[in-house]
Amino acid sequence: GAGVSQSPSNKVTEKGKDVELRCDPISGHTALYWYRQRLGQGLEFLIYFQGNSAPDKSGLPSDRFSAERTGESVSTLTIQRTQQEDSAVYLCASSLVVTPDEQFFGPGTRLTVL
Amino acid sequence: AQSVSQHNHHVILSEAASLELGCNYSYGGTVNLFWYVQYPGQHLQLLLKYFSGDPLVKGIKGFEAEFIKSKFSFNLRKPSVQWSDTAEYFCAPDRDDNIIFGKGTRLHILP
Repeated sequence: GAGVSQSPSNKVTEKGKDVELRCDPISGHTALYWYRQRLGQGLEFLIYFQGNSAPDKSGLPSDRFSAERTGESVSTLTIQRTQQEDSAVYLCASSLVVTPDEQFFGPGTRLTVL
Repeated sequence: AQSVSQHNHHVILSEAASLELGCNYSYGGTVNLFWYVQYPGQHLQLLLKYFSGDPLVKGIKGFEAEFIKSKFSFNLRKPSVQWSDTAEYFCAPDRDDNIIFGKGTRLHILP
């Protein structure tokens, strides 16, 4: 079975542009997480989705960040008016149920904002 | 605020050396504890986890970790490391469905 996939793997954009990052979780996993990892830093929680419940958006750093998930499938993370400090690796993970279950991570999207 | 501290940011060892990576977290109560590992070029993956029971847990590839509640610690150990253990290791305590990842420890094993 396929693991978690993310696209694109790399994205270079200009400051002020909007970007959209995609995550395909493992089929059947009800929980989906987005993290950000800046160079030399740990994983910073952004948002998680659990089934049809309202997402936990407590980690989103600003209103420029938003995420959607259709049912228990694909999720997109959108960053509007990107800033240089948004440069990071954005990781998606899914789990069968919400934490404390094991999370399965995707390869990440490396975002560079020039 | 809840926090997790990994004391060693970069560790270099020779093969067959013993390993201990420190992890401390700031909050009490019921905590579930994870160590994740990221090998070069690979995805983050679970190394081991502790939910309850025996505080000494064993994970993949000969790793183990000991939960010491009184010290708020969950240190990762391996008696004899191999070159293939070169990776980045993340401690991740979880309380009330709120998981926090540490900044990671880069482990470099010299062949």
